[in-house]
Amino acid sequence: DQQVKQNSPSLSVQEGRISILNCDYTNSMFDYFLWYKKYPAEGPTFLISISSIKDKNEDGRFTVFLNKSAKHLSLHIVPSQPGDSAVYFCAASAVYNFNKFYFGSGTKLNVKP
Amino acid sequence: GAGVSQSPSNKVTEKGKDVELRCDPISGHTALYWYRQSLGQGLEFLIYFQGNSAPDKSGLPSDRFSAERTGGSVSTLTIQRTQQEDSAVYLCASSRTRAGAQETQYFGPGTRLLVL
Repeated sequence: DQQVKQNSPSLSVQEGRISILNCDYTNSMFDYFLWYKKYPAEGPTFLISISSIKDKNEDGRFTVFLNKSAKHLSLHIVPSQPGDSAVYFCAASAVYNFNKFYFGSGTKLNVKP
Repeated sequence: GAGVSQSPSNKVTEKGKDVELRCDPISGHTALYWYRQSLGQGLEFLIYFQGNSAPDKSGLPSDRFSAERTGGSVSTLTIQRTQQEDSAVYLCASSRTRAGAQETQYFGPGTRLLVL
């Protein structure tokens, strides 16, 4: 039973436009959420995180939004660049076991020049 | 310093053989994780080591899987009597853990395992 879901396996966006990647979770005990970016033949790299005490965290072109009531988070990339083309994973952990992370299946983003 | 390294990068084996996958975490990182990513799936947690504490093995899919972490550093994931469904990318990650903190993980490039 997958506790973190990314229902869109792929997304294609024009350069300069906004990319919105979505993630849903089922465990109400999750309180820390992360986004990772993965290029082919490399391991995932940390992108941005958010704690459940916030509903928004921003870092440059990347913003993560958290809607706890809907158990939904999203990653916004504005403006999108061709170098952003990668697979994006969301992950979550719970306060009672904060070192155990649950990952979604990933969304492959393609930013077209 | 160097990041997380894994070896081999690729491994092809025959069904029924045993394989060993190695992970060298970032120096000083006390936490080490193993994940598996099968084709089209997300990262599946396998096992977690934290310092000298007993590992969290709750993600290991069967007793054919085992892992060790010697001296609090290098880790080896062993799969005995490999099956075709074991084919996946095996990822190792490490993090610097402080009590009460939520540290991000740094991933290695993974070992791509193919069981024929």
